[in-house]
Amino acid sequence: QVQFVQSGAEVNKPGASVKVSCKASGYTFTRYTIHWVRQAPGQRLEWMGWIHAGNGATEYSQKFQGRVTITRDTFASTAYMELSRLRSEDTAMYYCARDTSGYFVFDYWGQGTLVTVSS
Amino acid sequence: EIVMTQSPATLSVSPGERATLSCRASQSVGSNLAWYQQKPGQAPRLLIYGASTRATGIPARFSGSGSGTEFTLTISSLLSEDFAVYYCHQYHSGTTFGPGTKVDIK
Repeated sequence: QVQFVQSGAEVNKPGASVKVSCKASGYTFTRYTIHWVRQAPGQRLEWMGWIHAGNGATEYSQKFQGRVTITRDTFASTAYMELSRLRSEDTAMYYCARDTSGYFVFDYWGQGTLVTVSS
Repeated sequence: EIVMTQSPATLSVSPGERATLSCRASQSVGSNLAWYQQKPGQAPRLLIYGASTRATGIPARFSGSGSGTEFTLTISSLLSEDFAVYYCHQYHSGTTFGPGTKVDIK
């Protein structure tokens, strides 16, 4: 069955970077895109960007442009999201999600990774 | 950016009753709208896409309708596992989510 397992919770200081992983299983990893969506406490879900797991093409939300980098390792069937220059407002649950439609419809999600930014 | 709003913020319903959730877009999104269910401590789960198409494995008690700027998610007869937060999500222009409607037990 399709499954995404994300890396564990992180605590980081302001100004640092964080890299979250998302390991896929149960389907051909390189066929579809992986998106990253975050949810700050009490806030709505917020899209950050995507990567096509096959050709490596990426697109980022303007809000995060310059701070977020999404990569993938096809041999490990794993996608990564790195967010730099962290600030307290980046404290959130970060999710990876698969899109098989090409239209930003997310049919399977990872369990989430809590990133806390605190000095 | 298209802004999504949802109403009500909280809906109190008894098991077995019907629940009707509303979602409004600040401009037309056509039928490019999805609904997700999220339970505490869990990731969102896709219920509906294309405004009215149920995702794989979603029970028939969940139905979606609407187009343009007004959308509805209906749960025909609530079961205990349906008490959760529901988000609408437009993917017509960029992608944005609504603030959610919490369905709790009356």
